[in-house]
Amino acid sequence: GNSVTQMEGPVTLSEEAFLTINCTYTATGYPSLFWYVQYPGEGLQLLLKATKADDKGSNKGFEATYRKETTSFHLEKGSVQVSDSAVYFCALIAGGTSYGKLTFGQGTILTVHP
Amino acid sequence: EAQVTQNPRYLITVTGKKLTVTCSQNMNHEYMSWYRQDPGLGLRQIYYSMNVEVTDKGDVPEGYKVSRKEKRNFPLILESPSPNQTSLYFCASSLLPVNTEAFFGQGTRLTVV
Repeated sequence: GNSVTQMEGPVTLSEEAFLTINCTYTATGYPSLFWYVQYPGEGLQLLLKATKADDKGSNKGFEATYRKETTSFHLEKGSVQVSDSAVYFCALIAGGTSYGKLTFGQGTILTVHP
Repeated sequence: EAQVTQNPRYLITVTGKKLTVTCSQNMNHEYMSWYRQDPGLGLRQIYYSMNVEVTDKGDVPEGYKVSRKEKRNFPLILESPSPNQTSLYFCASSLLPVNTEAFFGQGTRLTVV
């Protein structure tokens, strides 16, 4: 079946540090890939997405590139801020019988200190 | 404002007492779904609906029911809740095709004692 694996957390950084959260996936066909973010007490919000190989999704200084050869979609940001503290989820939507279902990784808690 | 609204936000109940969590969206989305979030497991899909009167099971449907009588509403029903259904629940909606953005409600924290 389809699955998403994220790097173990939590991740703690100082403000302006470089962020990488690793994400790899297993899926049939050509899935669409997503990063969602969950701020404390809120629902999930789409951060960025990529729908085909070599696409780069970007938003709010975050970037991720769809790498089919390594089945990866790592999230990066060059300089994090305290306001980036949240839980980050990598997810995919595959085709076939799982049509429409978001398959999520376990989430990575990010804490950024001043 | 485009939104998905869930109620209640917090609920504590006893084993076996039927409950309903409501979900409503104002974006005219065809696709709606329910997820539960548990530590270390991410979110897992419970049920989904592709349109009115069309529903199907997700990965963890046991102990849950849903209905889709109107396009905007997609309630989650626990007919006989058990402690293993203690979790954080999210409703989501999106347009078809579904590789577009999913919009999530704020979540319902359910505790079954």
